[in-house]
Amino acid sequence: SQTIHQWPATLVQPVGSPLSLECTVEGTSNPNLYWYRQAAGRGLQLLFYSVGIGQISSEVPQNLSASRPQDRQFILSSKKLLLSDSGFYLCAGAIAGTGELFFGEGSRLTVL
Amino acid sequence: LAKTTQPISMDSYEGQEVNITCSHNNIATNDYITWYQQFPSQGPRFIIQGYKTKVTNEVASLFIPADRKSSTLSLPRVSLSDTAVYYCLVGYGGATNKLIFGTGTLLAVQP
Repeated sequence: SQTIHQWPATLVQPVGSPLSLECTVEGTSNPNLYWYRQAAGRGLQLLFYSVGIGQISSEVPQNLSASRPQDRQFILSSKKLLLSDSGFYLCAGAIAGTGELFFGEGSRLTVL
Repeated sequence: LAKTTQPISMDSYEGQEVNITCSHNNIATNDYITWYQQFPSQGPRFIIQGYKTKVTNEVASLFIPADRKSSTLSLPRVSLSDTAVYYCLVGYGGATNKLIFGTGTLLAVQP
C-alpha cells in the first residue's frame, strides 16, 4: 500500500521567515502529488499538484511555491511567510486515473 | 473556476439515515467522485468512490445521477462517532489530475 511521510508535524514561525515542508512517498512510482491547506475551521484548499518530476500546477496565487525534484518527493516552500499562511497542510498522493487520494499526517503551521 | 459545493452543516440523531449532497457541475468526463470523512486535526479518511449510478460498501452508499453533476453520500443508521466533516472529492482536470474537495459538510449526530 501507498504511504506518505510528511514533516515537520508542527512548526511555529515568525512573519517574514521562510518555510519548507516536505513529503516523500513509498509503495508506488509515478504518483500524482498534491499540497492542500486547511485554515482553521475551513475546508481543504488545493494549492499545488504535480503529475511528474519538475511539473507543478498552481491553483491559487499566493506567496507559496512547490517543487518536485524527485519522483516521490514533493516540497512546499515560502520565502516570506504571512499571517494568513497559518493552517494545516496536507501532502497527498494518487495513482493516476484512480481519483483516490492517500494522505500524509499533516503539518500544522502557526505564523506569529 | 471549478466549484464543488455542499451544505455547510446537517443535524441528525443516532440510528437515522443521513444523506449528504455534493454539486459538481464541471466534473471532467472520466473522473471519479470520492467521499472522505475528517475528524479535527486529522487527514481525511476514504469512505467510498463511484463513477456513475450507485455504489455500496460496508459503511455507505453513493448515488450518482446520469448527468453526474451531483452526488449523494448516504450513511445508514448513524452513530455519535459519525460526527465529523464530510467532503466530496472531484476531478476537474481530466485523467483525474486536478482533484478539488467540496466545501465540506459538518454532520452533528445527537443521542
